[in-house]
Amino acid sequence: DSGVTQTPKHLITATGQRVTLRCSPRSGDLSVYWYQQSLDQGLQFLIQYYNGEERAKGNILERFSAQQFPDLHSELNLSSLELGDSALYFCASSERDIGASEQYFGPGTRLTVT
Amino acid sequence: AQSVAQPEDQVNVAEGNPLTVKCTYSVSGNPYLFWYVQYPNRGLQFLLKYITGDNLVKGSYGFEAEFNKSQTSFHLKKPSALVSDSALYFCAVSFSGGYNKLIFGAGTRLAVHP
Repeated sequence: DSGVTQTPKHLITATGQRVTLRCSPRSGDLSVYWYQQSLDQGLQFLIQYYNGEERAKGNILERFSAQQFPDLHSELNLSSLELGDSALYFCASSERDIGASEQYFGPGTRLTVT
Repeated sequence: AQSVAQPEDQVNVAEGNPLTVKCTYSVSGNPYLFWYVQYPNRGLQFLLKYITGDNLVKGSYGFEAEFNKSQTSFHLKKPSALVSDSALYFCAVSFSGGYNKLIFGAGTRLAVHP
């Protein structure tokens, strides 16, 4: 158990809908990362927050947004969902935002868009 | 552009034999290199990392990795494979000034046969 929690575990929704994925980092970790794992794209970095502030952005679509709250939990919002958004979404956390701080991954949320 | 290559989709090895999972990288600046393992229906687990110093890095579960700057490689090794090592292995890179975001390889499936 990494100490990172993600909810829900599974999500099935229809095209055009909006969903919110939630992540709680390990105790003491200030940085949160979101990754998308799909068969065709592999594991891709989406976005990173550190203590409530956005730090880095990757291949995140404009339809997706995220935030980190004062209690350090984070939410990833996916809107106008398309079939291609079906994937496993991982949250990870680390103590620092720089310097090769190892990341601890949650179990993931499996999103299925029908 | 930063990238990671894992040239083998799958590696097969007999239990008790040594194993190697290959990884090469391309990054501007000083790389930070990582290996993660993913078991079915689980998140990624950190195995080891290289930041600087000794080229041979030891990690969890008896795994080690060798950093080779001239060949831009970071191969994962274990002297004696176990059936329980069967999983999906990911090499990843971040870099100084990159805010710790990880760029992952496509993954290599390791199958250890009894």
